Amino acid sequence: DAGVIQSPRHEVTEMGQEVTLRCKPISGHNSLFWYRQTMMRGLELLIYFNNNVPIDDSGMPEDRFSAKMPNASFSTLKIQPSEPRDSAVYFCASSLQYTTEAFFGQGTRLTVV
Amino acid sequence: GESVGLHLPTLSVQEGDNSIINCAYSNSASDYFIWYKQESGKGPQFIIDIRSNMDKRQGQRVTVLLNKTVKHLSLQIAATQPGDSAVYFCAENTGNTPLVFGKGTRLSVIA
Repeated sequence: DAGVIQSPRHEVTEMGQEVTLRCKPISGHNSLFWYRQTMMRGLELLIYFNNNVPIDDSGMPEDRFSAKMPNASFSTLKIQPSEPRDSAVYFCASSLQYTTEAFFGQGTRLTVV
Repeated sequence: GESVGLHLPTLSVQEGDNSIINCAYSNSASDYFIWYKQESGKGPQFIIDIRSNMDKRQGQRVTVLLNKTVKHLSLQIAATQPGDSAVYFCAENTGNTPLVFGKGTRLSVIA
């Protein structure tokens, strides 16, 4: 298995632009997580899905952030409009169940200028 | 006051020595614990896990110890190698919540 695949690996965008991050979880995994990692706050859980259904989005910082999982093999995290404080590394992870070991992708490094 | 940044605790060890990385957790209901390793530019990678019905688990060169009485978890790495240099995170959850990650410890191996 190729593991969790995220794209793009790096994204530089201007403030106010829309940003879409993509994730392909490991086949057969039922749960998918979006995390954000910064020096200030460490690794934060933004939202997680179980069987394609959002379970808890209380970690999403603002209404500018939204996430979807239209099917078992694809999820997106969208920021609209983006702001410089959104600059971080965003990780997608998947697991068999949301209470078990999570496997992480390589992350997307987002820079908003 | 507010923290101005996340200053990771750092552990420096000589190559070949054993390393011990510690983690304190706060939720007494947590029953599953994982250690992750994150190398620069990569996502966290699973190292070893342990459930609350155990107090010790061994892997290849790594051992995890769990002390539920004082809510403490440790990761021991035997014969530390330069490739072990990374940030190490402990993570915990209960039976119906996703993993919650600690702040991490940076391990620096001196050749």
